[in-house]
Amino acid sequence: GAVVSQHPSWVICKSGTSVKIECRSLDFQATTMFWYRQFPKQSLMLMATSNEGSKATYEQGVEKDKFLINHASLTLSTLTVTSAHPEDSSFYICSAMGRGEKLFFGSGTQLSVL
Amino acid sequence: GENVEQHPSTLSVQEGDSAVIKCTYSDSASNYFPWYKQELGKGPQLIIDIRSNVGEKKDQRIAVTLNKTAKHFSLHITETQPEDSAVYFCAATPGNSGYALNFGKGTSLLVTP
Repeated sequence: GAVVSQHPSWVICKSGTSVKIECRSLDFQATTMFWYRQFPKQSLMLMATSNEGSKATYEQGVEKDKFLINHASLTLSTLTVTSAHPEDSSFYICSAMGRGEKLFFGSGTQLSVL
Repeated sequence: GENVEQHPSTLSVQEGDSAVIKCTYSDSASNYFPWYKQELGKGPQLIIDIRSNVGEKKDQRIAVTLNKTAKHFSLHITETQPEDSAVYFCAATPGNSGYALNFGKGTSLLVTP
């Protein structure tokens, strides 16, 4: 149990377009999900905490108008990178709090903005 | 906030040897300490965790020890195998639902045959 599914696994888009990433908890309900960003050979940086039915809480320095988060149900959170630019290229990973308050991660999405 | 330091940043061992990765944390309120293994291009995978009411936990070749007084915890991998090669991250959190993890900077482990 405690499987987190994330897709797409990779996406290439043109500068100025928007990209949506989905994160689903497959066998458990998650009232809270987290979105992380990871640059090559670096650690995971928390971007925002996604709460079901309410607004996300963003970390300092993360633009909420650039990274739109929607947590519409107990099993789905989405991250939309709006008007993407090359500097938004990164590995984005979602996670969800499962049984025993353990955090489980999705497989990540590699975003490349041309 | 919580600050997690992790050492070493890279570690190379011969197959069959043991590997030890150490982390320290700053927030004495932290009570949950997971370890994640991340392979290239994949999300982190939880491999073992420990809570502050326990000093040591073992799962086959992997063990974690916690010293609350000194605020440090360590990952021990015995009888290493090439498939153990990956980046390992330690993390700390107060452990209540809704609290995000603070990660160390990671250790790149290479196990050579």
